Amino acid sequence: SQQGEEDPQALSIQEGENATMNCSYKTSINNLQWYRQNSGRGLVHLILIRSNEREKHSGRLRVTLDTSKKSSSLLITASRAADTASYFCATDGRSSGSRLTFGEGTQLTVNP
Amino acid sequence: SQTIHQWPATLVQPVGSPLSLECTVEGTSNPNLYWYRQAAGRGLQLLFYSVGIGQISSEVPQNLSASRPQDRQFILSSKKLLLSDSGFYLCAWSEWGGRLGQPQHFGDGTRLSIL
Repeated sequence: SQQGEEDPQALSIQEGENATMNCSYKTSINNLQWYRQNSGRGLVHLILIRSNEREKHSGRLRVTLDTSKKSSSLLITASRAADTASYFCATDGRSSGSRLTFGEGTQLTVNP
Repeated sequence: SQTIHQWPATLVQPVGSPLSLECTVEGTSNPNLYWYRQAAGRGLQLLFYSVGIGQISSEVPQNLSASRPQDRQFILSSKKLLLSDSGFYLCAWSEWGGRLGQPQHFGDGTRLSIL
C-alpha cells in the first residue's frame, strides 16, 4: 500500500528562515494534502494539490508536486515561532476513495 | 459553519474495561467520518471510516469496533481494552469529494491511557 514518508523527521530553524519539508509516496494518487498538528491537538488542513497540478500557493506556504518522482515538498517562507508544529503529508490514492494515508510527519521547531 | 466535537479529552482506563468514545459533527449532512489512532511521535493510522449511517469499514483487525447510529455521530468502542490500545484517538469528517478529494477536519482528540 502507498504511504507518505516525510523527511526530515525533525527540522530546527531560526525565525525568519525558510523551512522545507519533503514527502514521498509509492503509488499513483488523485491528490496530496498537507496538514499541521500542534502538540496534543487535532490536525489542521493546510493545502490540497491535485495530481494534475505542479505547484500551489497559500499565504506563506508553497507546495510542489512531482508525480514522476512521486514526491511533494512544503515550503514555509519567513517562518515564525508560531509555525512550530508537526507537519504531515497525506495521499488520496486512486483506489482508496476518500481515505487518506498519512506519513510519519516532520517536527518543525522555529526558534525565536 | 461546521464543527466537530470529540470527547472526552483524556481517559484513563484499566485493562479489560470497556470503552466508548463519541464524536459528533454539526453544520453538515451525510459527512464521511473517520477514526484514527496516533502513537506518540508518529503518523495517523486509519481505524474505521463511514460513508453513511450503519456503513462502517474497518481498516485493520483489532480490538476495537465503530458504529454510526446517526448521520453525524460516530462512536468508537471496545468490550475489553488491552494495553496496546493506548494512544491518541482522532475523529475526522469530510465532504464526499470523489476523485477530486476533500480536506478532512479533525477533532481535538482523546488521549487514552490503559493501566
